[in-house]
Amino acid sequence: GAGVSQTPSNKVTEKGKYVELRCDPISGHTALYWYRQSLGQGPEFLIYFQGTGAADDSGLPNDRFFAVRPEGSVSTLKIQRTERGDSAVYLCASSLTSGEKLFFGSGTQLSVL
Amino acid sequence: QKEVEQDPGPLSVPEGAIVSLNCTYSNSAFQYFMWYRQYSRKGPELLMYTYSSGNKEDGRFTAQVDKSSKYISLFIRDSQPSDSATYLCAMSPAAGGFKTIFGAGTRLFVKA
Repeated sequence: GAGVSQTPSNKVTEKGKYVELRCDPISGHTALYWYRQSLGQGPEFLIYFQGTGAADDSGLPNDRFFAVRPEGSVSTLKIQRTERGDSAVYLCASSLTSGEKLFFGSGTQLSVL
Repeated sequence: QKEVEQDPGPLSVPEGAIVSLNCTYSNSAFQYFMWYRQYSRKGPELLMYTYSSGNKEDGRFTAQVDKSSKYISLFIRDSQPSDSATYLCAMSPAAGGFKTIFGAGTRLFVKA
């Protein structure tokens, strides 16, 4: 596609539920990143993939968060037992290689009620 | 103390003004410095990308990096209402997105 695509654009869920957020990077981009942005804050790093493997997952806040990229393209961020504090915009970015500039999607606004 | 500090604003200027946006940082390992623009309900868009100290100009935008002072700036000349957005500084110790650290962003309003 022309840019990084994230679905859904908005997700409302109840506390304790499981959610999946999808990211479709720019075609050919091998590096993929997930960030989380709270209101009035800059994006915070969560996890970075190079190809299919998670090269750095040190930003994941706890074991309720997990991300996969099984075929080296589309990635899914999974959040178990959601909490109200998980409410934020989840941004995905991709780059041609790990040494290139980031291109961001428009994000998924997650609201946990 | 945050690794990257950025005044959240808001900053309001008249059309045509020169805008100065700034960030300070504490980690001397940062080598790559970036400025992103973010419109409401959109993802950040890369504006400027510089390595180490010095100036870089691109159209109406000029980025400055002073590593000795751990201070970076973005100047916007002849500001336009379409420049109204949140501007995020970002920096990284390595090329690319390895744990790029973002500032909180400065909201800019350019009045027609």
